[in-house]
Order: sequence, then structure tokens, then C-alpha cells
Amino acid sequence: ETGVTQSPTHLIKTRGQQVTLRCSSQSGHNTVSWYQQALGQGPQFIFQYYREEENGRGNFPPRFSGLQFPNYSSELNVNALELDDSALYLCASSGTSGRATGELFFGEGSRLTVL
Amino acid sequence: QQQVKQSPQSLIVQKGGISIINCAYENTAFDYFPWYQQFPGKGPALLIAIRPDVSEKKEGRFTISFNKSAKQFSLHIMDSQPGDSATYFCAATLGSSNTGKLIFGQGTTLQVKP
Repeated sequence: ETGVTQSPTHLIKTRGQQVTLRCSSQSGHNTVSWYQQALGQGPQFIFQYYREEENGRGNFPPRFSGLQFPNYSSELNVNALELDDSALYLCASSGTSGRATGELFFGEGSRLTVL
Repeated sequence: QQQVKQSPQSLIVQKGGISIINCAYENTAFDYFPWYQQFPGKGPALLIAIRPDVSEKKEGRFTISFNKSAKQFSLHIMDSQPGDSATYFCAATLGSSNTGKLIFGQGTTLQVKP
């Protein structure tokens, strides 16, 4: 069973640029959630995708957008990067059983630095 | 209120001791309370979870105590080991159908000294 994989692991961008982060969900999981974890803080929910549709969104501006593909992999896109976007971006997947037990399976994250 | 408040921010415990981390919430609609463990460079991993219809859940050395009237819950790590050194996050969510939308506490960095 393959776990949640994210790419890239680290990247550096400058203010105003755009970034795309990618996530492959765990085998059999059809739900993907994205979280932003600032240094020394708990993860904050960005949004969730279920069967290719956005299924809930946290308090993040529209320049944060996402996609889910038919194979349940997902992308997080951030436009017009700001310094405060520097964080660890975590992808988590859950399937039908995950929704029942509540367990999210997290990837190791993509560390974004905005200069 | 959608916040979950966690304390302490950091904790140092001797090997074999008991580690206790506390969380408080405001929204009485929350009905699922997991604890996640995160090692440096890794994503969080589910440690143990509880629903508000029980007051305590134990899995090995890890116990959640839940006080619904006080809107508080805590994690107890018995016989703490150096391998338990990590950051611990409590979380809460609304409804079993929304388990992807967790609200996390600020985290507690635990150091267990040999």
C-alpha cells in the first residue's frame, strides 16, 4: 500500500509568483484535504476535495485554488505569492473507511519559502 | 467559535514519567477529537481519537480523558520514552462526514529526557 506522496519537497519562490504543489493520495482513498502549517503552529485547513469537487473550504483567499483528478490525486495552486505564504503545505487523504473512523493520512509536506 | 486551545506549548519529562497535554474547545457541535503526533520532517500521524459519548479511551500507553461539560480533553502518555519526543496536536471536527476538516490546536513539543 502506497502512502500519501507530495512534490516538490522544498521550493523557493519570490513574491508575486505562482506555485503548484502536487499530492498523490493513498491507494483506495477518494478524499484529499490540504493544510497550511506555519512554523511552530498547528495545521490550518485550506480545502477538501471529494470526487473531483471542492467539499469545504477554510479561511483562505481565492488565490488558493485546487484540483482533484479522476485518479484522486490533487494539486494546490497559489497565485500572487505573499511572504506570509511561507509554510509547510500538507496533503492528507482519507477514503470511505477514513471518513468513518476519522483518520487522515498525511504526506510529509511541501516546504514553500517566499522571498 | 472554531478554535481549539492547547497547552502547554512545550513540555520536558523524564523517561518513565507521565506527560499530560491539555486542550479546550468552545464549539459544542464538535463530535470527534483526535490527537496527532508529528516528528520533525514528517507529516502528522493519528495517535488516538475519542468521540464525546465516552469519557476516556486508552490505547497502550496513551489515554485520552474527555470532559464534555468543561469542554476540555487531555492526552496522557504513561511511562514516557525518549522515542515519544515529538510535537503533539489535538484537533476537533464537526460531524463524522467532515473528518477532513480538522481544527488543530497550536501544538505541544514534548521532550523526554533519558
